[in-house]
Amino acid sequence: SQQGEEDPQALSIQEGENATMNCSYKTSINNLQWYRQNSGRGLVHLILIRSNEREKHSGRLRVTLDTSKKSSSLLITASRAADTASYFCATPNYGGSQGNLIFGKGTKLSVKP
Amino acid sequence: GAGVSQTPSNKVTEKGKYVELRCDPISGHTALYWYRQSLGQGPEFLIYFQGTGAADDSGLPNDRFFAVRPEGSVSTLKIQRTERGDSAVYLCASSSDVNEQFFGPGTRLTVL
Repeated sequence: SQQGEEDPQALSIQEGENATMNCSYKTSINNLQWYRQNSGRGLVHLILIRSNEREKHSGRLRVTLDTSKKSSSLLITASRAADTASYFCATPNYGGSQGNLIFGKGTKLSVKP
Repeated sequence: GAGVSQTPSNKVTEKGKYVELRCDPISGHTALYWYRQSLGQGPEFLIYFQGTGAADDSGLPNDRFFAVRPEGSVSTLKIQRTERGDSAVYLCASSSDVNEQFFGPGTRLTVL
């Protein structure tokens, strides 16, 4: 079963606007990762935030983590058409192994030029 | 090569047939992972190798699925007696650090 649940499932915005995606998870974690996927193929790692961090930045990306609410958000500022993709959060399944990531269903982002 | 490669990129087979999917990880990466992704879903973990051994195979759905990594580099995912429900994109990833996995482009398997 999937642990992470992204919200919204789909998001359509205009170029230049900010996009915010949320992720909720169920069990305790020591880190949470965000990945991006174009055209239903390979995923690209975007950013990892550890459980003792509340916010992290990478370029136009900002990730927050609230362990008390078991939720994370990914903010993409000044979006571009090239940001159009699906975005997934992933958490380690320590019930299995550290290499076993559990992904949510993803948010499909569409950025219109 | 610079990234993870997977072959074939597409595979169409008939129900009941046997298929093999290959993954070439990034050179030097000791960890290798297989995931399966159905349409509209996130990737679902199948198996994780550390070196030649399967560190976690808890995601393999049943005994028709098997994976090997005999020399600790290339891995093959084997599916026996394929069923229509096996149709999905099979993703491979590798890493030197469990915290960042590098994914290949996937193999799209269609079982008719």
